Amino acid sequence: DVKVTQSSRYLVKRTGEKVFLECVQDMDHENMFWYRQDPGLGLRLIYFSYDVKMKEKGDIPEGYSVSREKKERFSLILESASTNQTSMYLCASLFRGYWTTTQYFGPGTRLTVL
Amino acid sequence: DQQVKQNSPSLSVQEGRISILNCDYTNSMFDYFLWYKKYPAEGPTFLISISSIKDKNEDGRFTVFLNKSAKHLSLHIVPSQPGDSAVYFCAASVAGANSKLTFGKGITLSVRP
Repeated sequence: DVKVTQSSRYLVKRTGEKVFLECVQDMDHENMFWYRQDPGLGLRLIYFSYDVKMKEKGDIPEGYSVSREKKERFSLILESASTNQTSMYLCASLFRGYWTTTQYFGPGTRLTVL
Repeated sequence: DQQVKQNSPSLSVQEGRISILNCDYTNSMFDYFLWYKKYPAEGPTFLISISSIKDKNEDGRFTVFLNKSAKHLSLHIVPSQPGDSAVYFCAASVAGANSKLTFGKGITLSVRP
């Protein structure tokens, strides 16, 4: 079974704080993704990585950065948290099968910025 | 520009009946489609997928139909069960594009006992 874990289920931070969200997968997957989910907006891609130290911007990268120093770990960084970054953050890891290609998600981190 | 659209925000069906969840897309380059199910405070879980070379894929109670000419896909759940009550997301990708997924906004399914 693919396992994707996220460092925290719930986080409360103050405006201006630096926030680290960590994601770990145990399946040696190359591609990893960070999304945020907001009501009525679905899942929106923030950043993704296709290899160690490689990253690409998604659809909404502003206000975020990422780090991928090891294959199994992909971190999302909010340099200076703002209230509009209050959201559910979801990490995913990509499984490539012979017939299928599927992203598997972690449990999510509910971040509240006060 | 929303490339994957789930136009109905919610659907309510009776237990035992069929649930049909619809999804439309605009990008003709999409060639792989997935459905995910999400409970509150949990991450999405993969349900079923379909490649553009097929028009139907079945897995137990779940069947996905793809109509490429209409750029439309649908997820059928038969029979529907109360445990199916969740938000369902349709997603699409282009081969070789690092498997980035473009998601719809989701539809909330409620199955009444």
